[in-house]
Amino acid sequence: AQSVTQLDSQVPVFEEAPVELRCNYSSSVSVYLFWYVQYPNQGLQLLLKYLSGSTLVKGINGFEAEFNKSQTSFHLRKPSVHISDTAEYFCAVSDPSSNTGKLIFGQGTTLQVKP
Amino acid sequence: NAGVTQTPKFQVLKTGQSMTLQCAQDMNHNSMYWYRQDPGMGLRLIYYSASEGTTDKGEVPNGYNVSRLNKREFSLRLESAAPSQTSVYFCASSHIGTGDGYTFGSGTRLTVV
Repeated sequence: AQSVTQLDSQVPVFEEAPVELRCNYSSSVSVYLFWYVQYPNQGLQLLLKYLSGSTLVKGINGFEAEFNKSQTSFHLRKPSVHISDTAEYFCAVSDPSSNTGKLIFGQGTTLQVKP
Repeated sequence: NAGVTQTPKFQVLKTGQSMTLQCAQDMNHNSMYWYRQDPGMGLRLIYYSASEGTTDKGEVPNGYNVSRLNKREFSLRLESAAPSQTSVYFCASSHIGTGDGYTFGSGTRLTVV
């Protein structure tokens, strides 16, 4: 069965500093990978996704992620964070061949941007 | 531009009471999902409906039932609420096979006392 591990539950960082949120998945087959962001008291919205092709994926709000098949990782990065990036971030995986479309989510990482 | 609409946004129940959470999507998606979100546990799948007329259990189905009323609507019912069901519930929809991922509703915050 697929699983997702987000290696950090909380990541504190100062404004304008770079940040990396780590995500590892377990799957022996091809995967679709996603990062979602949840701002306080809101639903989740899609940041970016990897389906195939280039391993470096760019998303909204200046975020990017790199798919590493050998490391089974999909880490999220931003070169310079803003206070407004404070939110919870979820990594998710799905099986492209599945007829259910289910996403398996990680436990979430809270990004705390300090002034 | 409604996307996925969940009602209610907040609810407080007493132990043993029942309620139905409503979800509707206007994107013509074929699949719909109910998740619960608890601190430190991410999102866990309760039930899903891969297509109109079908429903299946997810990771944590005990204490819940669902109905896929039509292509647009997918409801979640708690027959006899328990404090362990205090959580934030999210409905999501997607079009299987496109790789687009989910569109989420804004959530229902449920407290069982």
